[in-house]
Amino acid sequence: AQRVTQVQPTGSSQWGEEVTLDCSYETSEYFYRIFWYRQLFSGEMVFLIYQPSFDTQNQRSGRYSVVFQKSFKSISLVISASQPEDSGTYFCALSELYNTNTGKLTFGDGTVLTVKP
Amino acid sequence: DPKIIQKPKYLVAVTGSEKILICEQYLGHNAMYWYRQSAKKPLEFMFSYSYQKLMDNQTASSRFQPQSSKKNHLDLQITALKPDDSATYFCASSQGDRGVANERLFFGHGTKLSVL
Repeated sequence: AQRVTQVQPTGSSQWGEEVTLDCSYETSEYFYRIFWYRQLFSGEMVFLIYQPSFDTQNQRSGRYSVVFQKSFKSISLVISASQPEDSGTYFCALSELYNTNTGKLTFGDGTVLTVKP
Repeated sequence: DPKIIQKPKYLVAVTGSEKILICEQYLGHNAMYWYRQSAKKPLEFMFSYSYQKLMDNQTASSRFQPQSSKKNHLDLQITALKPDDSATYFCASSQGDRGVANERLFFGHGTKLSVL
């Protein structure tokens, strides 16, 4: 069964600092993807970045990047030059490609990030 | 402008009543989903539809029934409401075509349901 764990319920940083949010997961599938979403204070879920399991290269998108440690089944989201607007709840989610057409994501509990000015 | 419209944004219901949560997406996507976020719980997958056909149902209770009248609509009917049903219900969509799974999901703003 799939499971996603985010052990940091909260995190904080100062404006301009690099922030790392951790996530670990459990899956028996070979092909899967890990997504990162951010939930704004309005409740809206915004996609940030994803990492396919078969890609050994860490993905990067703007100020977001991931550190993917497949053998440890862990992935970290790295936010460079954090800004107060980055504050919100960050969710890690697992998608197993074997479950074709389901679109099912398994989410972690989230990490509430506060970036101080 | 929001591309996934959920109505209403807030909903208060009494125990035992029935409500319908509305979702329309204007992204031209073929797949739509419902997720639920209860207090102190992670976002939970409920249903997925592709081309208006049910693809997956992870909801144990038959009180939750998705309804798809058009390709870009996926409403959620909840009957015999219970206080435990109180949660924010998110509609989502993806490009996903048949045979292509687990695309990037786009979420609506959610409907916050409170059952008294």
